Amino acid sequence: EVQLVQSGAEVKKPGESLKISCKGSGYSFTSYWIGWVRQMPGKGLEWMGIIYPGDSDTRYSPSFQGQVTISADKSISTAYLQWSSLKASDTAMYYCARPLIGYYDAFDIWGQGTMVTVSS
Amino acid sequence: QSALTQPASVSGSPGQSITISCTGTSSDVGSYNLVSWYQQHPGKAPKLMIYEVSKRPSGVSNRFSGSKSGNTASLTISGLQAEDEADYYCCSYAGSSTFGVFGGGTKLTVL
Repeated sequence: EVQLVQSGAEVKKPGESLKISCKGSGYSFTSYWIGWVRQMPGKGLEWMGIIYPGDSDTRYSPSFQGQVTISADKSISTAYLQWSSLKASDTAMYYCARPLIGYYDAFDIWGQGTMVTVSS
Repeated sequence: QSALTQPASVSGSPGQSITISCTGTSSDVGSYNLVSWYQQHPGKAPKLMIYEVSKRPSGVSNRFSGSKSGNTASLTISGLQAEDEADYYCCSYAGSSTFGVFGGGTKLTVL
């Protein structure tokens, strides 16, 4: 079964760092892009960025460039999203998603989401 | 990169058809036939319903269809059913530097 399994919910304080993960299984991890999508409480989906684990080619939405870092470790089929200094406004559900092969936008496989809460 | 524009809400009665619009620019929707649509029920991850403007993934009902004209894409749901009540998001490829942008989302209410 093709699936993406994300790490568990996190509660952090402003200024702390964080790295959440997304492990792929059931398919060739290096042959598909993996994207990250933010959903703030009660709000819509936002495209954050995308990485190709095969060569670590990474693209960011202008809104998230410099705010987060997307990476991948193909040896363990895992993609990451990290922050160096969290803000309260980073409180959101974060999804990783895999598009159909050859596509950048058609996400047919989604992780279960990781809820990140940033509060003092 | 601005979000694509969708109506905040649409509604319809069971059996009717509804259409949700998604307006972008000549830099995204207007330039590429790479528009996808997602359905999201409360507390769930999104589900891909349409890709490449009008293609349906395996398992998605043929009651869902997509189209595009100029800078505006559309999702049509025919024969509305209670389980179609959800939030719907469009998404477009936006070029090789950014890759993608979502719409603001549309809440579909089945009356």
